[in-house]
Amino acid sequence: GESVGLHLPTLSVQEGDNSIINCAYSNSASDYFIWYKQESGKGPQFIIDIRSNMDKRQGQRVTVLLNKTVKHLSLQIAATQPGDSAVYFCAEIRPWSGNQFYFGTGTSLTVIP
Amino acid sequence: NAGVTQTPKFRILKIGQSMTLQCAQDMNHNYMYWYRQDPGMGLKLIYYSVGAGITDKGEVPNGYNVSRSTTEDFPLRLELAAPSQTSVYFCASSYGSGNTIYFGEGSWLTVV
Repeated sequence: GESVGLHLPTLSVQEGDNSIINCAYSNSASDYFIWYKQESGKGPQFIIDIRSNMDKRQGQRVTVLLNKTVKHLSLQIAATQPGDSAVYFCAEIRPWSGNQFYFGTGTSLTVIP
Repeated sequence: NAGVTQTPKFRILKIGQSMTLQCAQDMNHNYMYWYRQDPGMGLKLIYYSVGAGITDKGEVPNGYNVSRSTTEDFPLRLELAAPSQTSVYFCASSYGSGNTIYFGEGSWLTVV
């Protein structure tokens, strides 16, 4: 999940297992969400996005689920690989703030070989 | 396409010095952004631009200035650097409002 502070939530998974990373958002008016992956020393990299008129979207090995009832977003990574180790964070767009993006703090994923 | 390119990658500044972080994109994006990322915190918007000649403040603009003379370039200027400006700075761009934002590789700045 997302948190504010110096310590990121962490998730450790065995190589080959599935990973689930969660994100909560605060306002039901947010209508566009993106998951980013950030490797150490690099910039955030787009993974997958979803608009509020959808509940689920699938990419290659990744699935994003959107639960508007509880304002929750999740990223599922299938068959996690060592190269998936990174910080993952969600971004939401807030139409009432000029369509600016707001970013969560992220979850640190470590894949154990 | 190179995407979003930032320079320098690393820089150490003394308190009170000034510098400019350069950013260029070759995707013909209208929107450009500058964010800062502090340890354990989400990205915070410093300034953004919706097109050449237009800039606007974000969430944390104090101590910074920007300009957008061309579609491609969006430099960030730090005047009178302070230790609180020690951070990682990311430039980003998007085609338009509400479109996916693409990031550069970051600039690590330390003010001592």
